[in-house]
Amino acid sequence: GAGVSQSPRYKVAKRGQDVALRCDPISGHVSLFWYQQALGQGPEFLTYFQNEAQLDKSGLPSDRFFAERPEGSVSTLKIQRTQQEDSAVYLCASSPTLTGGKGSNEKLFFGSGTQLSVL
Amino acid sequence: QQQVKQSPQSLIVQKGGISIINCAYENTAFDYFPWYQQFPGKGPALLIAIRPDVSEKKEGRFTISFNKSAKQFSLHIMDSQPGDSATYFCAASSPQGGSEKLVFGKGTKLTVNP
Repeated sequence: GAGVSQSPRYKVAKRGQDVALRCDPISGHVSLFWYQQALGQGPEFLTYFQNEAQLDKSGLPSDRFFAERPEGSVSTLKIQRTQQEDSAVYLCASSPTLTGGKGSNEKLFFGSGTQLSVL
Repeated sequence: QQQVKQSPQSLIVQKGGISIINCAYENTAFDYFPWYQQFPGKGPALLIAIRPDVSEKKEGRFTISFNKSAKQFSLHIMDSQPGDSATYFCAASSPQGGSEKLVFGKGTKLTVNP
């Protein structure tokens, strides 16, 4: 595809429900990031993958959050037992370069996000 | 603790005017400072970025000014246009930890009046 694709675009969940958010990165992109953007705030880092390896999950707010990228392309962010404070836009971004080198952020492309509302 | 502080929160400028947004940081390990533009319902898009080995970078109407000693950097939008109306985020990253994750400011909502 032409860009990073995220689905669903909107998700409404009842408190306590499990949700799964999908990210299709740009084909061939090695690096994949998940960010959480609360209303009126800047994005906050959640986790990072290099191919299928999850190299950094320091931003995941609790053990209810889980991310995977089993084949090094599509990634899924799963939130178990959702809470109202989980309501936010979840952004996925991909890059063709490896991190640790100079340039991964310089070619970072964001999707439009999934807006999650927990009632 | 907010690692990147951005101001102002909102900004209204007349068409043709100069928009200036400021950011300050504390972490001296940061070595990459991008600015992102975000329209409603869309993800952030990279606008312009700078590394600390230069004090200024210009791309078209957009200029980043960087002051390493003061740990501050700013975005200047010359000849602002209504189409520039969006939310702007400064960000920073460091190579520590290997993921080069971005730390964002809280954003500035820019409105350019026609």
